[in-house]
Amino acid sequence: DSGVTQTPKHLITATGQRVTLRCSPRSGDLSVYWYQQSLDQGLQFLIQYYNGEERAKGNILERFSAQQFPDLHSELNLSSLELGDSALYFCASSRDDEQFFGPGTRLTVL
Amino acid sequence: AQSVTQPDIHITVSEGASLELRCNYSYGATPYLFWYVQSPGQGLQLLLKYFSGDTLVQGIKGFEAEFKRSQSSFNLRKPSVHWSDAAEYFCAVLTGTASKLTFGTGTRLQVTL
Repeated sequence: DSGVTQTPKHLITATGQRVTLRCSPRSGDLSVYWYQQSLDQGLQFLIQYYNGEERAKGNILERFSAQQFPDLHSELNLSSLELGDSALYFCASSRDDEQFFGPGTRLTVL
Repeated sequence: AQSVTQPDIHITVSEGASLELRCNYSYGATPYLFWYVQSPGQGLQLLLKYFSGDTLVQGIKGFEAEFKRSQSSFNLRKPSVHWSDAAEYFCAVLTGTASKLTFGTGTRLQVTL
C-alpha cells in the first residue's frame, strides 16, 4: 500500500459525459501528479500540482483539467469524453523526488 | 528531449533462471532513474532508484540495477526469478525541471514453471 488513495476504482460512462477522478496523497506530500496509461500511448504525464499551484503540464488535453485543494487532495476532471479517453488514470504523490502511485482509476467510455 | 527505451516488449524466463531487463535513456543532465513494477490490475510499485553514488543499486524483492553512463543504460537484474515476478516492468527517468517521470513502454515478464 503506497498510501495514495484514488476513487473511484472503476468508472463506466458514455461519450460526451463529464467525470471527476479523486486522489488523496500520502500524508505530508505536497506534490500530486496525474498520469494516463493507455494501450496506444503508454504511461504519460498529464499534470503536476504543488501545494495547490499548478507546477507542470504534460500531454493534457484541453478537455481535461485538474486542481489541488487546501487539504492537498486533487481532482482530475475529464469532459466531453471520447472513446479514446478510456484508460487507467494514476495519481502519484512525491517527496524527495520519489513518486508513490495510487492504485488507479480505470475509465471506460462507451 | 528526454526519452526511455525498453527494447524488449515481452520476455519469458523459467522460474529459477536469471533475468535482465534492458533500459536505455536519453537525457542531457545526470539522470534520476527508476524501475517500477505493475502487476495485473495493480498500480505501480517502486523497485529501486538511482540518484547518484554507487552505480549498482539494490531494490526490493531481490532486484538490482546497474547505471552505466557510457552506455546510457540502467538494466534491471535478478539472479533467480520467482513465478510471482510475472508482471510488467517500467523504466523511468525523472526530468529535473518539471519533476515528471518519463516512462519507457514497458517489458512484460512471463515466468514459466
